[in-house]
Amino acid sequence: GQSLEQPSEVTAVEGAIVQINCTYQTSGFYGLSWYQQHDGGAPTFLSYNALDGLEETGRFSSFLSRSDSYGYLLLQELQMKDSASYFCAVRNTDKLIFGTGTRLQVFP
Amino acid sequence: NAGVTQTPKFRILKIGQSMTLQCTQDMNHNYMYWYRQDPGMGLKLIYYSVGAGITDKGEVPNGYNVSRSTTEDFPLRLELAAPSQTSVYFCASSYTRDSYEQYFGPGTRLTVT
Repeated sequence: GQSLEQPSEVTAVEGAIVQINCTYQTSGFYGLSWYQQHDGGAPTFLSYNALDGLEETGRFSSFLSRSDSYGYLLLQELQMKDSASYFCAVRNTDKLIFGTGTRLQVFP
Repeated sequence: NAGVTQTPKFRILKIGQSMTLQCTQDMNHNYMYWYRQDPGMGLKLIYYSVGAGITDKGEVPNGYNVSRSTTEDFPLRLELAAPSQTSVYFCASSYTRDSYEQYFGPGTRLTVT
């Protein structure tokens, strides 16, 4: 079977750093992606890790450890606009398998 | 580029009715996908296509059908709508299988009563 686990909700204050974890169990693995989705909106791509290590894109970073079947998304200098749901997704040949998402609420 | 467009934005169906959700992309992407997202949940893959004339089932294909006659269009057909199909439907596309980014349309919010 295939499954991805994420915390259901995370809260933080503006300017803080937050880490959203994702553990996965899949029959095939080609990479771990992260998507952001604001309420009522469509998912938008944030980052992708195919190899172990840290990928940095501005305030967002993503990490992957294939041996631990684990990754995380790190959001720095949080802003109110970062309040959204964040999904990890595993690429399995032609498809993406999505986690159930982590709702991030940023407070002033 | 308009990207991925979906119509309609909203629709209410009665049980047993049928409808087609339209999806068009203008990025010349080979791969297209249909997902459904239930409230507070992740996206579940319904069907996908790796090119014109080729489609395959995803995780939750029952109650749906698709076709891919052109690169641009990937309509999703609901036959005999049921309340369990109440959901938000997203269409997405990517250039190749190795493309790690999928581009999503704005979604269709469907209610079946």
